Amino acid sequence: SAVISQKPSRDICQRGTSLTIQCQVDSQVTMMFWYRQQPGQSLTLIATANQGSEATYESGFVIDKFPISRPNLTFSTLTVSNMSPEDSSIYLCSVGGQGGSAIYNEQFFGPGTRLTVL
Amino acid sequence: QKEVEQNSGPLSVPEGAIASLNCTYSDRGSQSFFWYRQYSGKSPELIMSIYSNGDKEDGRFTAQLNKASQYVSLLIRDSQPSDSATYLCAVEESGGSYIPTFGRGTSLIVHP
Repeated sequence: SAVISQKPSRDICQRGTSLTIQCQVDSQVTMMFWYRQQPGQSLTLIATANQGSEATYESGFVIDKFPISRPNLTFSTLTVSNMSPEDSSIYLCSVGGQGGSAIYNEQFFGPGTRLTVL
Repeated sequence: QKEVEQNSGPLSVPEGAIASLNCTYSDRGSQSFFWYRQYSGKSPELIMSIYSNGDKEDGRFTAQLNKASQYVSLLIRDSQPSDSATYLCAVEESGGSYIPTFGRGTSLIVHP
């Protein structure tokens, strides 16, 4: 499977600031996603990052709060804007449709970014 | 709203035993089913996918799917302490969205 990296791996931020998380894949992938996982909770999909067009956001998530870029088939960024303590969470990127596999719905996750907002 | 339900556990089994993890889902038209393993502080890792009724075996892992009962399970034979983790069930909704819905996970503890 593809090798997925995320930067930063963790950060502690002040309320009202913004943080941009990067996701890099070592091969071209069709689909990239951004998830949030709060302590003791399952994965919540924030959005699907679409190459060359605006991301598709899930209910409860908006572009102004979580702007996403996907300039090519190997890279995406998620920005958490105007942060509050409620944004403290683990943010994960995942990829699908990689390596010529026809099984697009198998997803593989990056290592995650642990965000703490004070 | 489509739901995926798992018992949060913890499920505690002795080393060498069979661990049985269960998952039910609400969307009768679901087509694709996945099991992920998540160690504490780590990201989820795909360990099994199953698409048709019956059993699918991979090493010590067996996934079982029963679409009529809307039930999917994961059996881990000869459980090892290294299997201690949270196991997430994921179900892809009908309609080919390619985006699964995740359950909250079951914590498994394998004690020596």
